[in-house]
Amino acid sequence: SAVISQKPSRDICQRGTSLTIQCQVDSQVTMMFWYRQQPGQSLTLIATANQGSEATYESGFVIDKFPISRPNLTFSTLTVSNLSPEDSSIYLCSAGTGEDEQYFGPGTRLTVT
Amino acid sequence: GDSVTQMEGPVTLSEEAFLTINCTYTATGYPSLFWYVQYPGEGLQLLLKATKADDKGSNKGFEATYRKETTSFHLEKGSVQVSDSAVYFCALFASLTGANSKLTFGKGITLSVRP
Repeated sequence: SAVISQKPSRDICQRGTSLTIQCQVDSQVTMMFWYRQQPGQSLTLIATANQGSEATYESGFVIDKFPISRPNLTFSTLTVSNLSPEDSSIYLCSAGTGEDEQYFGPGTRLTVT
Repeated sequence: GDSVTQMEGPVTLSEEAFLTINCTYTATGYPSLFWYVQYPGEGLQLLLKATKADDKGSNKGFEATYRKETTSFHLEKGSVQVSDSAVYFCALFASLTGANSKLTFGKGITLSVRP
């Protein structure tokens, strides 16, 4: 298994600004992912964070709005840019070990005012 | 594309009641199936999984059997506790071409257990 931490755990941001979320895994993992969970909704995959190359984005998500970095096998960041109230959500990082299981971080609760 | 359908919620039960949460799926190939649980204010935790037809996943008194003929993975527990109150997500894993793995989640269902 893997233990995943995220920072910050929550933040309140003004519209038009950006927030960068950090995700740290306690062991090297093959795959890292970023999800959004809007209030009362299920999880939606934003992108797969690829080590050493550009992230792979799902339909409806673009790099300009959600730039992602993954400099090594244990760390990734997600930036939510040009914030609007519609971006208020929980953002979750997960990691896969190359098999089919994924382990999730505790999430970052973002409120945009 | 792949999809997961969960029964509508929320569900409210009394302590020691029997629990069933329905989950059906649509997928090409042979996906792995999962139940994740999200306790209030926390992230998702893997509850149990099954990787092939007729496999039974179990953990903490919860069970689910991979039924390929009915494309279902229903979650059951014989006697729920107040501490089981949480949101439960059914999910499937499809390994895509190029070894990119992807989890597809159902909408989740909130379970509340009364003392």
